[in-house]
Amino acid sequence: DQQVKQNSPSLSVQEGRISILNCDYTNSMFDYFLWYKKYPAEGPTFLISISSIKDKNEDGRFTVFLNKSAKHLSLHIVPSQPGDSAVYFCAAHPNFGNEKLTFGTGTRLTIIP
Amino acid sequence: DGGITQSPKYLFRKEGQNVTLSCEQNLNHDAMYWYRQDPGQGLRLIYYSQIVNDFQKGDIAEGYSVSREKKESFPLTVTSAQKNPTAFYLCASSIGWTSRAKNIQYFGAGTRLSVL
Repeated sequence: DQQVKQNSPSLSVQEGRISILNCDYTNSMFDYFLWYKKYPAEGPTFLISISSIKDKNEDGRFTVFLNKSAKHLSLHIVPSQPGDSAVYFCAAHPNFGNEKLTFGTGTRLTIIP
Repeated sequence: DGGITQSPKYLFRKEGQNVTLSCEQNLNHDAMYWYRQDPGQGLRLIYYSQIVNDFQKGDIAEGYSVSREKKESFPLTVTSAQKNPTAFYLCASSIGWTSRAKNIQYFGAGTRLSVL
């Protein structure tokens, strides 16, 4: 049972345009969400997070939006740069004291120069 | 330089052999984790430890064992009971589990394990 879903395995975006990566979740107990970026043969690096008490969090070119009623979050990257080409994972955490993160399957983003 | 060090980067296992993957962190983090990544899949949790001398099974613990004798170290042993060990293994750590803001996990560079 995949509780965190990234339905698009891959996405190609022109350099300078906006990249939008989507993530859906089914567990209503999740209340904290994170995005990670991963290059091949490396560990994921933390990008940005959002708590369920917010609907938007922004950090430079990266913005995460959370729609709790739809159980949906998205990561916007604008403007997209070649170095953004990587696999992006969303992850979720429940609202009780537990460190377990549940990861999605990832979306491979390719920025076209 | 603070971080998480995994070794070796590449590891080969023979049939019936146990192998141990090393994970060391100097971030003074309480919690540590082991994940497995297979091609086209997300990260699946093998084991995690919230404090020294304590650890819990994750979603796919069968065929694996861990120890947490020191705060800095969380080695993973892939035993001969793990029938499909070929994968990319990632170790992570986080400050602790008492606050949402502390639940950012930081990852090592990974170990790629292959079966000979």
